Amino acid sequence: GQNIDQPTEMTATEGAIVQINCTYQTSGFNGLFWYQQHAGEAPTFLSYNVLDGLEEKGRFSSFLSRSKGYSYLLLKELQMKDSASYLCAVMDSNYQLIWGAGTKLIIKP
Amino acid sequence: IAGITQAPTSQILAAGRRMTLRCTQDMRHNAMYWYRQDLGLGLRLIHYSNTAGTTGKGEVPDGYSVSRANTDDFPLTLASAVPSQTSVYFCASSSMGSGSPNEQFFGPGTRLTVL
Repeated sequence: GQNIDQPTEMTATEGAIVQINCTYQTSGFNGLFWYQQHAGEAPTFLSYNVLDGLEEKGRFSSFLSRSKGYSYLLLKELQMKDSASYLCAVMDSNYQLIWGAGTKLIIKP
Repeated sequence: IAGITQAPTSQILAAGRRMTLRCTQDMRHNAMYWYRQDLGLGLRLIHYSNTAGTTGKGEVPDGYSVSRANTDDFPLTLASAVPSQTSVYFCASSSMGSGSPNEQFFGPGTRLTVL
């Protein structure tokens, strides 16, 4: 079966760095996406990895290792507005997204 | 319209009633999707459409139907609502082509309660 695993909840301090991990087992791989979802709102696209390595976009970076079925999202210089759920999703061989349950990130002052 | 709109924003529905959730996009995306999101679970795909005139079943299609008469609109119908269909429903769209991440853009969601 297809499976995406990520921690349910994480807590971090304003100004710090946090890493949210995601492991996956899917039928085929056509890229891995990270989305941010604030409570009561729609998910919004953060990053996309299809090749191994690190993709950096401002305070956010995303890493992929296809051989390990592993990705992480790195958030630097945390701000209170970063409090949200972070969703990991893998595009499978049918070009459909398989979604993890999301990681709720709580930022404390 | 800018992006994707959904209607209604929220709805309370009696079990057994028929309900259509509306979704419209103005980005000329060829692919559209319907998801439901329940607490503790990831987004689950209900139905999708890769292009106008075609639809496909996702992970949880039972009790739902869709149509795609044109590029912009992708309504989701619950023929006879049941309490287990209480959820938040998101419509999304994406372009499908080589050389791009084909990220999905989401509408604001419809919160549906079936009593």
